[in-house]
Order: sequence, then C-alpha cells, then structure tokens
Amino acid sequence: SAVISQKPSRDICQRGTSLTIQCQVDSQVTMMFWYRQQPGQSLTLIATANQGSEATYESGFVIDKFPISRPNLTFSTLTVSNMSPEDSSIYLCSVDWGGTIEQFFGPGTRLTVL
Amino acid sequence: KNEVEQSPQNLTAQEGEFITINCSYSVGISALHWLQQHPGGGIVSLFMLSSGKKKHGRLIATINIQEKHSSLHITASHPRDSAVYICAVDPNDYKLSFGAGTTVTVRA
Repeated sequence: SAVISQKPSRDICQRGTSLTIQCQVDSQVTMMFWYRQQPGQSLTLIATANQGSEATYESGFVIDKFPISRPNLTFSTLTVSNMSPEDSSIYLCSVDWGGTIEQFFGPGTRLTVL
Repeated sequence: KNEVEQSPQNLTAQEGEFITINCSYSVGISALHWLQQHPGGGIVSLFMLSSGKKKHGRLIATINIQEKHSSLHITASHPRDSAVYICAVDPNDYKLSFGAGTTVTVRA
C-alpha cells in the first residue's frame, strides 16, 4: 500500500489570498488526484495531476483557480488561488496503486476562508 | 456520469448491533470502493471490490454487478465504528464518483 501525507493539515486563510497544499507519497505512483469536499457534501474530483504535463481538470474547475504541479512521481501540489469563503472545504489527494485500480487517500487538508 | 445513491443517510445503532449500508449506482463500473471518514476529515479505504464479497475483521462488503448494488455490513458494532461511510465507483478511468455518505453513530 501507499502512505500519503498532506501539508498543511488545516489552515485558516483570509479572503483573496492563496494557499498551496502539498501531497507526498512514499513510493512512485502513476496517477495522483485532487478532490474537494465542501461542508456537508460528498467528494468531487478537481483534477488529475499528470507527471511532466499539465493537469487534467474536471468540469467546473479551472487551472487559474486551482493550479497543480506534479514535478515527479511522488509529489504534487494544489494551489487554491484568490480564495473566497466558498473555497472552505477539505482538500484530499489520492493515488492509484501499481495499476491495480486501488486508490489510497491522504489525510486531507481542512481549509477555512474568512 | 455515474449516479451513486447511498442509504440510509444517517444510522444510529446500539453497541453490538449489526449494521448494513447500501449503495446503488447507475452505470457499469470496474470497481467499487468503501471508504471511512472520521470527523477530522481523513479518509481510509476499507474495501475495493470488483465482484463477490470481502471480509476484514468485523466488516463485510458485497457487490452484485448485475444489479449494480453493494452493501457494507458491520457486525458487533462498536462506538469506534462511528464515522461517515462513503461508497465510490470507478468506471475504469480512476475518476471516482462518490455517494453522499452514511453517517453512522454507535452508542455504548
């Protein structure tokens, strides 16, 4: 299995600022994903982070708002830009595992925007 | 997009009771995941199923591919089982669609 860590675990930010969330995996993985869970809602896929190329965004999410980096096979970042209170959510990264279609999830980053 | 429905939305049980959570989906899938989310927000993967049945400790997960339905059972429930249980389906591209979750509360 894969062990995933996220930083920060939680943060409180001011409107209009940006926050970068890091996702680190203890082994090389092919695919990394970023999800958002708004209060009282289920998870929604934001984008697939592709190593060496631009992320693939889902409908309703754009690169200007959620820029993603994937510099290598063990690390990715998600930036939440120009934040508003509506961005208050839990942000989670997940990874596939060795082509077995099993996914592992990080512990999440709880973001509150004031 | 796969519609994923979970029932019940909320469930309260006494310690020791048998608990069942159901998940139905609308489109064929390659795998179904059962996830557990504790109040801090972190998610733990409990099971990944593509057919049949899996058991881990007091947890049992079953799936019926033809009926597009899965169940998660908790035997001899305990207060530490209190969490949100989420069903997620993979249509064979790793892009999971999630159910709304079932909030389980087990009282001592």
